[in-house]
Amino acid sequence: DIQMTQSPASLSASLGETVTIECRASEDIYNGLAWYQQKPGKSPQLLIYNANSLHTGVPSRFSGSGSGTQYSLKINSLQSEDVASYFCQQYYNYPFTFGSGTKLEIK
Amino acid sequence: EVQLVESGGGLVQPGSPLKLSCAASGFTFSSNWLNWIRQAPGKGLEWVASINPDGSSTYYPDTVKGRFVVSKDNAKNTGYLQMNNLRSEDTAMYYCARRGRYNPGFAYWGQGTLVTVSS
Repeated sequence: DIQMTQSPASLSASLGETVTIECRASEDIYNGLAWYQQKPGKSPQLLIYNANSLHTGVPSRFSGSGSGTQYSLKINSLQSEDVASYFCQQYYNYPFTFGSGTKLEIK
Repeated sequence: EVQLVESGGGLVQPGSPLKLSCAASGFTFSSNWLNWIRQAPGKGLEWVASINPDGSSTYYPDTVKGRFVVSKDNAKNTGYLQMNNLRSEDTAMYYCARRGRYNPGFAYWGQGTLVTVSS
């Protein structure tokens, strides 16, 4: 199974700041990676697919990058509505696996 | 509008079975894969099952293989997750999800149904 190691586990940043969340796969996943945002009590929402493609309707302050085993999600100009947990997921191979999540708070 | 609505969750005893449903609307159900993902209280996400459009192929992680069975009834636009021999560690919110039309991410999610396994 492909292990997804996500960091940091939690993050506190100020409004307007730029934050970056990392995800490392245990083997090459050839950009088969998605990022999700989950607000408390809600279902996850897709932000990024294929490592760097922005899902329809997602604000352009979100961006994804990376290749091979290393991937990252960047949020520019942090807004209050970005308070949430963020998860990466690889879909390159079964079983699909998720990172353990990053909880983002406003400082 | 794509909609996925899960139902069937509840409190069950260890070793019991439970069948979840996922009612789909707003898209051609018969042309799409159906996926189930769960989330234990306060924990992360875990993929638990996928089924191809015509139901001929299914996939599971080792944690549920042999206990869970995913199926879909394309005539009823409904997917199912039959869960057998439930364990306390199966306690979670269960979501059904669909991939995007042109992307492999889980673009559409239901609101989830809560399964609690406890004596």
